[in-house]
Amino acid sequence: DAMVIQNPRYQVTQFGKPVTLSCSQTLNHNVMYWYQQKSSQAPKLLFHYYDKDFNNEADTPDNFQSRRPNTSFCFLDIRSPGLGDAAMYLCATSTGLVRETQYFGPGTRLLVL
Amino acid sequence: DAKTTQPTSMDCAEGRAANLPCNHSTISGNEYVYWYRQIHSQGPQYIIHGLKNNETNEMASLIITEDRKSSTLILPHATLRDTAVYYCIVRVQGGSEKLVFGKGMKLTVNP
Repeated sequence: DAMVIQNPRYQVTQFGKPVTLSCSQTLNHNVMYWYQQKSSQAPKLLFHYYDKDFNNEADTPDNFQSRRPNTSFCFLDIRSPGLGDAAMYLCATSTGLVRETQYFGPGTRLLVL
Repeated sequence: DAKTTQPTSMDCAEGRAANLPCNHSTISGNEYVYWYRQIHSQGPQYIIHGLKNNETNEMASLIITEDRKSSTLILPHATLRDTAVYYCIVRVQGGSEKLVFGKGMKLTVNP
């Protein structure tokens, strides 16, 4: 089945140690999104790629970066994780057509020690 | 900021219809209403969306008032697996087509 895959489901890192989260999709969608969801809060968009065009949200900290080497894969890099970056990170995709729905992966829960 | 308001939580008996309200009084004429839900420890899942006409699919029905200032998501026969946080979202128009999630509403379906 076509889907959005996130690995690992749980990631533990140390304070200040760079970490990369990965997302892959078999939907061949043009757009890939990264959301951050802290405990008991709603998902918040960090950035998205429309094909190779990167679109950063205005309030996304510089500590967060992203790479999309090809259509299928997108990575979230946290350069120096702080305790406040512990959260669920959700990847989503869409075709990019107007009002098309977004398909979410299961998320990666990041723990910062 | 999210453009919708929802109750914080709601309970429903298994097998009964669950009616989830949402207010979006500042919705623009070309903005759609979307519903997503998020089951615990999973990613959000699309349910349904609509502009002004009522919509129905295999998951739910969406009733939008004539003035479009509010809507109701109806799960006709709620099951325990419908327990989740439900998000009512007014779709931000523009190139990014991004979703702005509000706080959502926790629906608990009880046996």
